This record gives sequence, structure tokens and C-alpha cells, in this order.
Amino acid sequence: QSALTQPASVTGSPGQSITISCNGTSSDVGGYNYVSWYQHHPGKAPQLKIYEVSNRPSGVSDRFSGSKSGNTASLTISGLQAEDEADYYCSSYTSSSTYVFGPGTRVTVL
Amino acid sequence: QVQLQESGPGLVRPSGPLSLTCDVSGASISSHSGRWWSWVRQPPGKGLEWIGEIHHNGSTVYNPSLESRVSMSVDKSKNQLFLKLTSVTAADTAVYYCARGESFKWDDWGQGTLVLVSS
Repeated sequence: QSALTQPASVTGSPGQSITISCNGTSSDVGGYNYVSWYQHHPGKAPQLKIYEVSNRPSGVSDRFSGSKSGNTASLTISGLQAEDEADYYCSSYTSSSTYVFGPGTRVTVL
Repeated sequence: QVQLQESGPGLVRPSGPLSLTCDVSGASISSHSGRWWSWVRQPPGKGLEWIGEIHHNGSTVYNPSLESRVSMSVDKSKNQLFLKLTSVTAADTAVYYCARGESFKWDDWGQGTLVLVSS
């Protein structure tokens, strides 16, 4: 199974909005609304931010939002804050009944 | 609050087996029929890789790239998950996470345990 693709890094200033893309195929991202996004601070446990493309778990800030168009999913972080600096991974369910992750995007807050 | 804690040997010899345990607290492994338990790893400097998942009834689904070397099991009486990976190489050096999955997402993760494959 091929991994999803994400930009290696995205940079923004406090208060700005940034968007991270997650490109897949019709066998994963495009074929199912089972895309999720995880925030990962090094040395800590990953944290679910978005599930089923655009749903936020209870307790997650509404500054995090998700969407999908075709084979590409996106995570938008609005009102960027210093605490948002982390690695972000997308994941998708696949037609093989397995899961695949993207390579991760390092978000830097200037 | 569900808590997961991975444990195992930090150093494994090449060609040997890698065996890890995940202790689950705050929830029973058997408590929800739709719940699956996954293992995910992260090699140094690289991204996350899904290893596979297991249901409390013993059903498993593995990453095709690892399927020939991986096995997962559960001990419901001890609320533990187990991962075994055989014939390991340096490429298996990684931080290994266990995670609670439900409805195609992972809600809770352990802190991870680093496994170094080296002679």
C-alpha cells in the first residue's frame, strides 16, 4: 500500500491560518470518508484532532477543521498559536481494509 | 479516561523476535464490540506506520508489508495487548505505540516505547 503524501513543512505566524494537504487515491482518501488527523508533539502520544474528514472530537478547539475534495483531504488550523507547533499526520482507511498514514507535516509558528 | 502503556525490551538483536506488551486501563478491551486495538510505529526521523489491529475476539488485520512477520494477541483477563514481530532488522528500530481504535480513528494512544535493533 502506498503512503499518502503531505507537505514536509508549513509555516505561519500567530493568528494566521494554515492548511495542510493530504493526497491519496481513490482507494483510500477518495474512496472513503474515513480520513483522520493527528497532532504529534515529539516524545508524546499522538492526539486525534479530526475524524471522518471533518468531525472534531469533544474537547478539540474549533480552530481545527477538516475537509476533502476528490482524493485530497485538508486540515486547516485557524488563529495559529504557539502551542500548535507540532507534527501533523493524516490517515485514511483503505480498500484493503487497512490504514495508511501520510509522512507528516511539521508546522512551525514564527 | 483510557490509558495505554507500552512496555518491552529496549534492545533487540537482529534476526530475533521483538515482543511488546500494552497495558490498558480505564476501559476493558472487551467492552465495546466496535472497538479495535492497533499498533503503530515511528522509525527515527520518519513518519507513522500502521502495523495492524486486533479485536477482542481475536480477529486481526495486518499491514501487508509486515504481515509475514507480525502477530498480535490479547489477554482479556489481564486487559493486555501483545505485539510480536519476527526476524527483525535495523529497519524495525522505532518507537512503537498501541492505540484504541473505533469507527476508523484512534482516540487514545500510549506514550510509546523505543525499540532499538542492534547487535
